[in-house]
Amino acid sequence: EVQLVESGGGLVKPGGSLRLSCAASGFTFSDHSMNWVRQPPGKGLEWVSSISSYSRYIYYADSVKGRFTISRDNAKNSLYLHLNSLTPEDTAIYYCARYYGDYDGFDIWGQGTMVSVSS
Amino acid sequence: SYELTQPPSVSVSPGQTAIITCSGDKMGGKYACWYQQKPGQSPVVVIYQDTKRPSGIPERFSGSNSGNTATLTISGTQAMDEADYYCQVWDSSTVVFGGGTKLTVL
Repeated sequence: EVQLVESGGGLVKPGGSLRLSCAASGFTFSDHSMNWVRQPPGKGLEWVSSISSYSRYIYYADSVKGRFTISRDNAKNSLYLHLNSLTPEDTAIYYCARYYGDYDGFDIWGQGTMVSVSS
Repeated sequence: SYELTQPPSVSVSPGQTAIITCSGDKMGGKYACWYQQKPGQSPVVVIYQDTKRPSGIPERFSGSNSGNTATLTISGTQAMDEADYYCQVWDSSTVVFGGGTKLTVL
């Protein structure tokens, strides 16, 4: 079964850091670009970052540039997002999503992991 | 930065046609995807490359894209279609989502 499973979310104080992980299974992870998308409580989807299959191309939303770092380990079938200098505005469910070229969009999403930033 | 505009809400009676729009500058020159998200669930793609349906998505879902507007049409809307819908495009190597439309089936 094709699956993405996120982990690493939790409650963190403003200014703190966190590392999210996304474990992929059921497909050849290194064949796909991967992305992080977040959703604040009760709000819409916001793209956060993307990384190409062998990490050559990395892009970030302006709202997280300089604070978040995306990475991947194809040997471990895993995607990561390092979150630094967190603010309450970063509170959201964070989804990892697989980019599918034929769709020019995201065909597989994880269940999400919640990040709450509060003092 | 590129922006996509969706109506916050659309209401439809069961069996009728629901139309959800997504507007952006020269939208017709980009490929649009549409995602359905039900409460407490992750998004699911229902339309990709403007008009195509992934396997498993009912035929009542269709899409179009021209000029400055992409459109998601749900024909014969069912109660199970009540959800939030988001359009999405790529622009200059970044992903842009519309603000989302809450579809209510009355």
